[in-house]
Amino acid sequence: EAEVAQSPRYKITEKSQAVAFWCDPISGHATLYWYRQILGQGPELLVQFQDESVVDDSQLPKDRFSAERLKGVDSTLKIQPAELGDSAMYLCASSSFSGRYNEQFFGPGTRLTVL
Amino acid sequence: RKEVEQDPGPFNVPEGATVAFNCTYSNSASQSFFWYRQDCRKEPKLLMSVYSSGNEDGRFTAQLNRASQYISLLIRDSKLSDSATYLCVVFHTSGTYKYIFGTGTRLKVLA
Repeated sequence: EAEVAQSPRYKITEKSQAVAFWCDPISGHATLYWYRQILGQGPELLVQFQDESVVDDSQLPKDRFSAERLKGVDSTLKIQPAELGDSAMYLCASSSFSGRYNEQFFGPGTRLTVL
Repeated sequence: RKEVEQDPGPFNVPEGATVAFNCTYSNSASQSFFWYRQDCRKEPKLLMSVYSSGNEDGRFTAQLNRASQYISLLIRDSKLSDSATYLCVVFHTSGTYKYIFGTGTRLKVLA
C-alpha cells in the first residue's frame, strides 16, 4: 500500500537553531499539505501545495517558516530560528482528488521538541 | 466559533457499550465529510468517509445531516482497541481545496 513518507520521525533542537523536515507524498498525488498539531488539538494547516505552487500559506508564520516543493513531488518545511512554542507534531499529507470523496492520507509525522 | 466543533471528551465507556460522537460544522458549502482515528502520538488515519445516505462499516456507522449541519459516528460493541481520538474532518472548495479538522473526541474503552 502506498504511503506518505516523512523524515526525521523525531527531532530535538535548541531554540534559535534551524530545523528542516522532509515529506514524500503518495506517487501521483498533486496536492501536498503540511500541518502542525499541538497536543490535544486537531491538525492546523500551515501550507498547501498544488504541484509545485503554493495555494494556501495563510497560517504559515513566514518570518520563520518556509516551505518548498520544487519539482512538484517531495517537499521540505524549514523553521529558522526555532522557538519554544514550535514544539509540536508536524504532519505531511497528500491527496489526489481523483475520487468523489477526496480522502487525505497522512505520513507518520515529525515530532519536534525545542529546548 | 470554530468551523468544526467536537466534544473533546473524554468518553469513558465499558467494553461492549455503544457510544456516539457528534460533530457540527458551520460552512454550509462543505462537500465531503470524514472521520479519522488518531492513536496517541501517531498520525491520523482515515476511519470512514461519510456519505449523504449514511454508511456502515462493521461496528461503525456514520451519518450526515446537512440540514442541521452535523455528522455523527456510532460505535457498537466497543473494544479496548477502539480507544483513540476520533477527528471529524470537513472538506470544501471555497477558493482552494481545504480540510478543516475538529479538535477530536477522546474515547477510552474500559475493561
